[in-house]
Amino acid sequence: SQTIHQWPATLVQPVGSPLSLECTVEGTSNPNLYWYRQAAGRGLQLLFYSVGIGQISSEVPQNLSASRPQDRQFILSSKKLLLSDSGFYLCAWSGVMMNTEAFFGQGTRLTVV
Amino acid sequence: QKEVEQDPGPLSVPEGAIVSLNCTYSNSAFQYFMWYRQYSRKGPELLMYTYSSGNKEDGRFTAQVDKSSKYISLFIRDSQPSDSATYLCARGGYQKVTFGTGTKLQVIP
Repeated sequence: SQTIHQWPATLVQPVGSPLSLECTVEGTSNPNLYWYRQAAGRGLQLLFYSVGIGQISSEVPQNLSASRPQDRQFILSSKKLLLSDSGFYLCAWSGVMMNTEAFFGQGTRLTVV
Repeated sequence: QKEVEQDPGPLSVPEGAIVSLNCTYSNSAFQYFMWYRQYSRKGPELLMYTYSSGNKEDGRFTAQVDKSSKYISLFIRDSQPSDSATYLCARGGYQKVTFGTGTKLQVIP
């Protein structure tokens, strides 16, 4: 069966510090991968998605970047965090078929102080 | 126009009530729709999916798609306090699954 791992679960970082969140998927090949953010009291916002190694689409211009160095690994990064980067970050994967569900990791709660 | 739009709520109902959660979508070519449930501080979990139009029932939950009006709905019968969560609709598609922003539901005992 497929599983998705996302870590860390919680993170407190000072303004201006770098960020690296990692997500890995097991039990499937060539998944579509996603990074979402939920700010407090806000909806689910798609940040990046990837259909293959090195292929990243950015949905919202911002202080973040994403990379996919391996087929089942997706990394969210920032060189300098802003207060507004605080939120709940979710990684997800979906299959490559036309009609397919997305499955989420348990999320990382990031607080920038 | 967003591909999938959803009223963010919050929606507050008494225990035992029938809950109706709704989304609209923009592209009539969409055929595959999903509902997710997200408890506080957790990742969303797939609740139900439907293909094309019509109803799909699973216990107390019914998912409905009306292609003529581009409307998708989730009905919860005999709502319970444990149903309190954020509910997200989504459409499946090649390369990208697209979500609504979620409706926060509170069922009051």
